Amino acid sequence: KAGVTQTPRYLIKTRGQQVTLSCSPISGHRSVSWYQQTPGQGLQFLFEYFSETQRNKGNFPGRFSGRQFSNSRSEMNVSTLELGDSALYLCASSLGPRALTDTQYFGPGTRLTVL
Amino acid sequence: DQQVKQNSPSLSVQEGRISILNCDYTNSMFDYFLWYKKYPAEGPTFLISISSIKDKNEDGRFTVFLNKSAKHLSLHIVPSQPGDSAVYFCAASGVPGNTGKLIFGQGTTLQVKP
Repeated sequence: KAGVTQTPRYLIKTRGQQVTLSCSPISGHRSVSWYQQTPGQGLQFLFEYFSETQRNKGNFPGRFSGRQFSNSRSEMNVSTLELGDSALYLCASSLGPRALTDTQYFGPGTRLTVL
Repeated sequence: DQQVKQNSPSLSVQEGRISILNCDYTNSMFDYFLWYKKYPAEGPTFLISISSIKDKNEDGRFTVFLNKSAKHLSLHIVPSQPGDSAVYFCAASGVPGNTGKLIFGQGTTLQVKP
């Protein structure tokens, strides 16, 4: 079974631009969560989607948004990029809506660099 | 307010010996705990998990212990191998109203010396 795939793997943008990242979950998984990893803040939760609905959101500004499609694929968008948005963006999929032991499996991530 | 803490940033052990990685949490509502292994510039790889109804779960060389009264969990790797060298994250989930959200510790870098 194929794992979680994320595209693109690497991205370089300049301040003020916007970016869209894509995530395809493991086949049969219906929940997709997004995380940001930075050296200073570690792994932080952005949001979770299930059945095309955002079920949970972390403490990030409104510039960070996402959506999920009927095939469970998800995209996240960051508008008006700032230098501090440079990070590894990780997508994770799980069966959801969660059973007690719903495990999240991560993709390889998208490395975003903002210049 | 860090709800999941890994107080040891790094750990070095000799090949063949036991590696013990520790994790503490503060929120008693957490009901599911996971350990992930991560290499630089890659996504975390799921290793092992434990639900709050258990105090031990074993999978090959990996064993996770949960002490709910102390709000502490640990990952034991026996025997340690050089390929185990990576950053290990513990994560917790299960707070009602925040399902699907994993709270991660800051990670412990494990180095296994040949």
